[in-house]
Amino acid sequence: GDQVEQSPSALSLHEGTDSALRCNFTTTMRSVQWFRQNSRGSLISLFYLASGTKENGRLKSAFDSKERRYSTLHIRDAQLEDSGTYFCAAEEPGYQNFYFGKGTSLTVIP
Amino acid sequence: GALVYQYPRRTICKSGTSMRMECQAVGFQATSVAWYRQSPQKTFELIALSTVNSAIKYEQNFTQEKFPISHPNLSFSSMTVLNAYLEDRGLYLCGARQQNTGQLYFGEGSKLTVL
Repeated sequence: GDQVEQSPSALSLHEGTDSALRCNFTTTMRSVQWFRQNSRGSLISLFYLASGTKENGRLKSAFDSKERRYSTLHIRDAQLEDSGTYFCAAEEPGYQNFYFGKGTSLTVIP
Repeated sequence: GALVYQYPRRTICKSGTSMRMECQAVGFQATSVAWYRQSPQKTFELIALSTVNSAIKYEQNFTQEKFPISHPNLSFSSMTVLNAYLEDRGLYLCGARQQNTGQLYFGEGSKLTVL
């Protein structure tokens, strides 16, 4: 079954607005990593979290430290170059496997 | 910085032939390498997790007979898609896990097209 449920599957944002992506996990996860996939297929790592929050510029990610069953990626002041497909990948405890969500296709419009 | 080189970037092969892809970690030691396939619909499937000096663990629906993997040291892994058919199409990605941080770094992927 799907261990990682990512939402929304698609998102359109006007430039300058804020939004959030979310990944829910069917079980407790050890860590989570967020990626953006560019048009060439490369997966660019945005954040890797074992707990808590991390921030980088206009992006901020959080991993529920208590039950470890969801993570969020916040985009502030969206810019055209933020367009792309975003994936979360969560690691099961003890197995070292990272399972991917199905992605969020983000389009930022002027 | 930590980089992962994966090659070839793309291969077009005839039905029934095989394709080998390689994954090189640069700037860090990879304790494990995970091989994924991303379908044309963008869904990721974990094929196998390879840890140096341990048995390679294949996920359901993937076998060593079809996707043999070699992982001889902490910086290199290769995987072959044997007897490729249409259903094997996709973007194959290797994710190398950094020993110190646990973070996954990905190569640019090897796109397989089967005619």
